Amino acid sequence: GAVVSQHPSRVICKSGTSVKIECRSLDFQATTMFWYRQFPKQSLMLMATSNEGSKATYEQGVEKDKFLINHASLTLSTLTVTSAHPEDSSFYICSARDWRGGNTGELFFGEGSRLTVL
Amino acid sequence: DAKTTQPTSMDCAEGRAANLPCNHSTISGNEYVYWYRQIHSQGPQYIIHGLKNNETNEMASLIITEDRKSSTLILPHATLRDTAVYYCIVTGVQGAQKLVFGQGTRLTINP
Repeated sequence: GAVVSQHPSRVICKSGTSVKIECRSLDFQATTMFWYRQFPKQSLMLMATSNEGSKATYEQGVEKDKFLINHASLTLSTLTVTSAHPEDSSFYICSARDWRGGNTGELFFGEGSRLTVL
Repeated sequence: DAKTTQPTSMDCAEGRAANLPCNHSTISGNEYVYWYRQIHSQGPQYIIHGLKNNETNEMASLIITEDRKSSTLILPHATLRDTAVYYCIVTGVQGAQKLVFGQGTRLTINP
């Protein structure tokens, strides 16, 4: 079964509105989660590293005021796309590392959230 | 930037072994080789990872060369459901160590 869950899986919104995507680690705690976006026929692009209890670390070129990340608990990180525009339409994917298996933790990915901005 | 090089696409007949190569000539001593795959419109799925020894699990085998500059993922008996984009990633394993994806190999299994 899935160990990282995202919600919603699909969302359609009007231009100018804000959309929140949740990422939950199931049955394990994740001090660090990662957010990716993926455009059609392209690879995953890392957007930011979400750190529990502190500010997220954004990759170069990613606007932190546009993509708000909150990691308020050890099992939940949220990504809010603020004032969304059609160019923000994409597949957003989160991931978290599960250390229960030993020293080399597997990084599990959520199912992804497809955002369409009209 | 991704630290790996993979062929853009590959084809394999159903039931045959699929061998996916990956070059990672700049890998450092404490970095692991991870393989993930992504089926259309889904999140990436973990397959296998290794440091220097060959590894095998229920999904695949990972063969790493002695100099660790390249590796091969082997799907022993490919099925149509193995059609996906396969990503080879090199990374450390500390908690905050991020995975940077390259373009991957689009593997098509043909009936």
